[in-house]
Amino acid sequence: ETGVTQTPRHLVMGMTNKKSLKCEQHLGHNAMYWYKQSAKKPLELMFVYSLEERVENNSVPSRFSPECPNSSHLFLHLHTLQPEDSALYLCASSQEGEGEAFFGQGTRLTVV
Amino acid sequence: GESVGLHLPTLSVQEGDNSIINCAYSNSASDYFIWYKQESGKGPQFIIDIRSNMDKRQGQRVTVLLNKTVKHLSLQIAATQPGDSAVYFCAEGYTGRRALTFGSGTRLQVQP
Repeated sequence: ETGVTQTPRHLVMGMTNKKSLKCEQHLGHNAMYWYKQSAKKPLELMFVYSLEERVENNSVPSRFSPECPNSSHLFLHLHTLQPEDSALYLCASSQEGEGEAFFGQGTRLTVV
Repeated sequence: GESVGLHLPTLSVQEGDNSIINCAYSNSASDYFIWYKQESGKGPQFIIDIRSNMDKRQGQRVTVLLNKTVKHLSLQIAATQPGDSAVYFCAEGYTGRRALTFGSGTRLQVQP
């Protein structure tokens, strides 16, 4: 248990569906991240939020929409995804100024 | 949580032997480095980190070596155990940027 909780753990969705991934951190951190881990690539950074403000968007398609309502919660809203978006989506948090990021268990997403 | 399908380099060792996992990084501006362990079905877990002003750091059964001249990082695991079987990632970061850049990972298999 790392203090970062992701739900759901597994998700299967059709290409026309809309779904959301949720991440919650209980560590008092002020930065949160979404990473994508796919079968063909290493961990890819998607978004960075610092103090609830998006500070980095790594050229992610608009069918992925992040939301950070407060420093403890992070969402990734998904709509009209493609099969190649199937991957493990990992949330992480860290404290500003410190390098170590704590990861959640991930959501295994399958787009059919 | 494993990088299923990704053709990771694999290191196979006998239980009780020492393991050395290597990583090359690309950004000469990186000033801290982290090793993560990812077991099947889990998110990456912090093992040990090192700042660029150091060339060696030891933890419990693990040692990280940093060679800035050739941009090389290694993780040494002493007396490797079956529980060490996992995928190991190096990550680099630099002051002023919150997110980490991850390497592609190495799969460690420990034979009993």
